[in-house]
Amino acid sequence: GDSVTQMEGPVTLSEEAFLTINCTYTATGYPSLFWYVQYPGEGLQLLLKATKADDKGSNKGFEATYRKETTSFHLEKGSVQVSDSAVYFCALRGAAGNKLTFGGGTRVLVKP
Amino acid sequence: DTEVTQTPKHLVMGMTNKKSLKCEQHMGHRAMYWYKQKAKKPPELMFVYSYEKLSINESVPSRFSPECPNSSLLNLHLHALQPEDSALYLCASSQDSRGTTNEKLFFGSGTQLSVL
Repeated sequence: GDSVTQMEGPVTLSEEAFLTINCTYTATGYPSLFWYVQYPGEGLQLLLKATKADDKGSNKGFEATYRKETTSFHLEKGSVQVSDSAVYFCALRGAAGNKLTFGGGTRVLVKP
Repeated sequence: DTEVTQTPKHLVMGMTNKKSLKCEQHMGHRAMYWYKQKAKKPPELMFVYSYEKLSINESVPSRFSPECPNSSLLNLHLHALQPEDSALYLCASSQDSRGTTNEKLFFGSGTQLSVL
């Protein structure tokens, strides 16, 4: 079945540091890939998505590129802020289209 | 209106109680979802409704009973829960779950449930 693996946290950074969260996936066919973010005490919000190979999703300074050859969708941000402290989930939606499969989540803590 | 509204935000119940969680959206979405999220874990899918019909039940125990009275509302009826059912229950919606891989889910803020 479909699965998503992402790096375990917590990831602790200083403000303005570079952030990378690794995500790899296993799926049949051509899934769509997503990054969701969950701030403390809230539900999940879509951060960005990519629907086909070599697509780059971007939002709020975050970027991720759909790499089919390495089955990866790593999240990057060049300069993090304290407000980026949250849990980040990589997810895929497979060929059946009716189920979102999440990775385990990566907690990011940005210190001033 | 791009919100999914869940009530209540917090709920404490005993193992013999009956309670309901409610979810509402007014985005015209025809797919609605219930997820369960334990602390420091990813959300786990419980149920999917598509066009007000139950399309996915992820082998959820019968003490959880979903209901979709109309296209805007989704309920989760709870009865005889166990302490291990304590979790954050998230509702989500999307345009239409049928065979579409790239649509985004809109999540509510969740109901934090504690079973004593």
